[in-house]
Amino acid sequence: AQSVTQLGSHVSVSEGALVLLRCNYSSSVPPYLFWYVQYPNQGLQLLLKYTTGATLVKGINGFEAEFKKSETSFHLTKPSAHMSDAAEYFCAVSGSGAGSYQLTFGKGTKLSVIP
Amino acid sequence: GAGVSQSPSNKVTEKGKDVELRCDPISGHTALYWYRQSLGQGLEFLIYFQGNSAPDKSGLPSDRFSAERTGGSVSTLTIQRTQQEDSAVYLCASSLTGINEKLFFGSGTQLSVL
Repeated sequence: AQSVTQLGSHVSVSEGALVLLRCNYSSSVPPYLFWYVQYPNQGLQLLLKYTTGATLVKGINGFEAEFKKSETSFHLTKPSAHMSDAAEYFCAVSGSGAGSYQLTFGKGTKLSVIP
Repeated sequence: GAGVSQSPSNKVTEKGKDVELRCDPISGHTALYWYRQSLGQGLEFLIYFQGNSAPDKSGLPSDRFSAERTGGSVSTLTIQRTQQEDSAVYLCASSLTGINEKLFFGSGTQLSVL
């Protein structure tokens, strides 16, 4: 069984400030971890994905996430927020073996960027 | 087409009516998923197809919900005797093999049950 908890349903940052969106996961097998972004009235797009190997994963639009096994976390960061980053962000986990197709999503964090 | 296409984009129906939602996945993608997105609830898994078969229907909320996929391509999600609690955005996604892969999402169907 696997689950995802995203801390904070809403996060507001000033333009140019650090973005930090938190994600903790639970998985009984080594996880595959994902961050997706959803802009208004659109479907979800993949930002980045962790499989194995390097724990710092770089994604699109300047985002990156660090896998910390000891903390079961996969927080998303961006050094400097842009207005265009305003969207909803979803963390997701999938497992291995029989559960490898099943992607479990968190409830999402809506990011607002204040000019 | 270049992406996952869903139709209609918006559907308003009366309680008790049946609705059909359509998904055209990316050509060649064997895996297809349906999710439901309700306000503040994140994405709820409904069903997964591998080819034309559905090895996991565990997320379908009730027997009013059914889905099929034909020709390893188009999928239809049917909701019978709709209820107000069925109102949500229904998202379809596809991937090449379905194993720990990037999902490509459609823009969704916004279903409103009056």
